[in-house]
Amino acid sequence: GAVVSQHPSWVICKSGTSVKIECRSLDFQATTMFWYRQFPKQSLMLMATSNEGSKATYEQGVEKDKFLINHASLTLSTLTVTSAHPEDSSFYICSATIAYEQYFGPGTRLTVT
Amino acid sequence: QKEVEQNSGPLSVPEGAIASLNCTYSDRGSQSFFWYRQYSGKSPELIMFIYSNGDKEDGRFTAQLNKASQYVSLLIRDSQPSDSATYLCAVNIGSARQLTFGSGTQLTVLP
Repeated sequence: GAVVSQHPSWVICKSGTSVKIECRSLDFQATTMFWYRQFPKQSLMLMATSNEGSKATYEQGVEKDKFLINHASLTLSTLTVTSAHPEDSSFYICSATIAYEQYFGPGTRLTVT
Repeated sequence: QKEVEQNSGPLSVPEGAIASLNCTYSDRGSQSFFWYRQYSGKSPELIMFIYSNGDKEDGRFTAQLNKASQYVSLLIRDSQPSDSATYLCAVNIGSARQLTFGSGTQLTVLP
């Protein structure tokens, strides 16, 4: 149980385009999901908390107009990176919660050229 | 002071030995504690969680929690080369559902 999927697993896009990443809880419902970013050899950085049916809560320094989060159902949250730039290239990971336990998706590696 | 602190390592142990990973946290009100394993290039995988003082065992893994001293540890018995990874300690700070992660300890098990 507690399987979280992400799609796509990797994506290459051109600077200025937008990319959507999906996060799904496959065998449970998650009212709360989290989005993280991780640069090479660095720890996880929480970007935002995604709550089903309400607006996401963004961490300080994360541009909410650039990283659009939609949690449309109890099993799906999406992160859209708008007008991507090379500095947005990173490993994006979502997690879904059961009580206080967080289960991570496999991650999406984004490369912006 | 960081909210969750771990020794960054690297920590090297020979195959078959016990690996001991330590973590301290600053908020006495924290209630939930987690250990994640992260292989290079992969996402974190939950391996243990502990909520009460004392020891919790799962296979070769034992989590130990001491709320009075504000530390949580992970012991890996009979370490295998496949245990080589970065181990992340995570804590619910206060009543928040989000986790605060330590910077991770890199473990290498030498064959």
